[in-house]
Amino acid sequence: EIVLTQSPGSLSLSPGERATLSCRASQSVSSSYLAWYQQKPGQAPRLLIYGASSRATGIPGRFRGSGSGTDFTLTIFRLEPEDFAMFYCQQYDSSPFSFGQGTKLEIK
Amino acid sequence: EVQMVESGGGLVQPGRSLRLSCIVSGFTFEDSAMSWVRQAPGKGLEWVAFIRSKTYGGTTEYAASVRGRFTISRDDSKSIAYLQMNSLKTDDTAVYYCTRVLGYGYYYGMDVWGQGTTVTVSS
Repeated sequence: EIVLTQSPGSLSLSPGERATLSCRASQSVSSSYLAWYQQKPGQAPRLLIYGASSRATGIPGRFRGSGSGTDFTLTIFRLEPEDFAMFYCQQYDSSPFSFGQGTKLEIK
Repeated sequence: EVQMVESGGGLVQPGRSLRLSCIVSGFTFEDSAMSWVRQAPGKGLEWVAFIRSKTYGGTTEYAASVRGRFTISRDDSKSIAYLQMNSLKTDDTAVYYCTRVLGYGYYYGMDVWGQGTTVTVSS
């Protein structure tokens, strides 16, 4: 079973700054099968990134995914007020298709 | 317009059963893999179950926490995905989301989510 560990657990930044979120896997994950989601309070999650670096439909260019093997990163350039939320990584490399525990991005 | 609407949630006693439904419209359901994801109150996301399209065998995968108790299935003629939940435990209390999974044979992420249905397991 692949365990995904996200860091930091929470991040406090100001609009306009850059956010860097990490997702580390307990064993190698093919880049094709690593996704990132954003969830705001009271809403369903939405897909941001799939295949480690491909933006989902309608996702702004300031969201960038990168990484390979066991280390993946979600970078959000020039934070907008609407970007503050919970973020989760997930792998579809092998069942069970686990999520990380999440990173909370808060406004400073 | 792509839509997924879950139903079937509610309050149920431990040990009892519940069946969730997810009615889909706006995309070709029979070609799509589907998953259920849950979120306990104040907690993170937990992947629960997955079913491939019939083209890829219609086979299923489960989280260890629900294997043997939950069954995911699909009715392509009605564009409905189901989650049959038996022997429910208080730990199963959560919002349950139905999702479409991107990919065919290999899978990349969940790009369409329902609004969620709440299951509360309590005596």
